[in-house]
Amino acid sequence: AQSVTQLGSHVSVSEGALVLLRCNYSSSVPPYLFWYVQYPNQGLQLLLKYTSAATLVKGINGFEAEFKKSETSFHLTKPSAHMSDAAEYFCAVSEGNQGGKLIFGQGTELSVKP
Amino acid sequence: DAGVIQSPRHEVTEMGQEVTLRCKPISGHDYLFWYRQTMMRGLELLIYFNNNVPIDDSGMPEDRFSAKMPNASFSTLKIQPSEPRDSAVYFCASSLGRRWEKLFFGSGTQLSVL
Repeated sequence: AQSVTQLGSHVSVSEGALVLLRCNYSSSVPPYLFWYVQYPNQGLQLLLKYTSAATLVKGINGFEAEFKKSETSFHLTKPSAHMSDAAEYFCAVSEGNQGGKLIFGQGTELSVKP
Repeated sequence: DAGVIQSPRHEVTEMGQEVTLRCKPISGHDYLFWYRQTMMRGLELLIYFNNNVPIDDSGMPEDRFSAKMPNASFSTLKIQPSEPRDSAVYFCASSLGRRWEKLFFGSGTQLSVL
């Protein structure tokens, strides 16, 4: 069975600081991995995806994530946080891009301090 | 396109009452998903439809929950009778094909059962 673990339900950074949101996955088959962002009172939006091509994936708003098979990780980073990045971030895994279910992590709330 | 539209945005009801949540998917999308988001359990898939047919309802918590999709442009999630533990944000999402990067979420319905 697939699963996703996001380490830290809440992360707080200062504006301009590095953002690092951690995600570890478990999958019996090569996974497809996704990061979604949820702004207050809105639905989830796709931030970026890994679909077995390049291991370093670039997404919108300056975010990127690196797939590390040896560590079963897919951590999300951004070099310099902006106030507008404050939101909840979800890591998700599926068995391929069209198969199985999309399993979400518990989410990490990112706060950005001025 | 207006995106995935959910109604109501907020619902407050008393225990034992029937609750109906509504969703209009993006026109042309053939997959529709219902998710529930809680602090304790994160984002859970309840049920999904393909071409109006329920495919997997294994996430539906109890017989009190039911979902229908009478046509391609409308779906409902009903809880009867409602209980306080059903309080959550319920999201509807739709996609064209089961391609996760093409999954679009509605803004959700915040349900409070008193």
